[in-house]
Amino acid sequence: GENVEQHPSTLSVQEGDSAVIKCTYSDSASNYFPWYKQELGKRPQLIIDIRSNVGEKKDQRIAVTLNKTAKHFSLHITETQPEDSAVYFCAASPPTGAGSYQLTFGKGTKLSVIP
Amino acid sequence: DVKVTQSSRYLVKRTGEKVFLECVQDMDHENMFWYRQDPGLGLRLIYFSYDVKMKEKGDIPEGYSVSREKKERFSLILESASTNQTSMYLCASIAQGVIHEQYFGPGTRLTVT
Repeated sequence: GENVEQHPSTLSVQEGDSAVIKCTYSDSASNYFPWYKQELGKRPQLIIDIRSNVGEKKDQRIAVTLNKTAKHFSLHITETQPEDSAVYFCAASPPTGAGSYQLTFGKGTKLSVIP
Repeated sequence: DVKVTQSSRYLVKRTGEKVFLECVQDMDHENMFWYRQDPGLGLRLIYFSYDVKMKEKGDIPEGYSVSREKKERFSLILESASTNQTSMYLCASIAQGVIHEQYFGPGTRLTVT
């Protein structure tokens, strides 16, 4: 099955700096890579995703890059703000025979943005 | 707006008790999932279901079973709760076919004493 490694496990940045979280995956058939943000005491929520036919995707201060050859993808947050403080999870999924997606998650990165 | 609800936010049970965790989604999603979340271990898949009465084991199914009698409801069952099952349990659902966001429930914090 798929295996997703995520680094670092914790990350502290000064407000306004950039933050980068990296993930690697093992299954070359995986073609969907979402990122979830979980604020303290809340449920994980999708913030951005990328599919294997795209190398980069950007949404305001958040961007994700994908290198299929190396089997790794990264989340970039620019101009960080205190409200970016949360746990971030990457995930990967190959398509299943049932026509759906089964996500394998990384272990998470706790991001702290210091005002 | 998709809504995934779980029957309890907090639950305290004794070792050996049978525990039922209920999850309901209101978006007619075919696929439903149960995860447990532990510090440093991320989200680990326990069981999932692609359709009514259908179930598949995830990465850590031992000590758990599931039931899906109706499309909107997916139940996680701990046949005989143990202290190492103390955890946060998250339910999720997603539509089948074209890639969609996987929506999570609010979680149930289960403590087994």
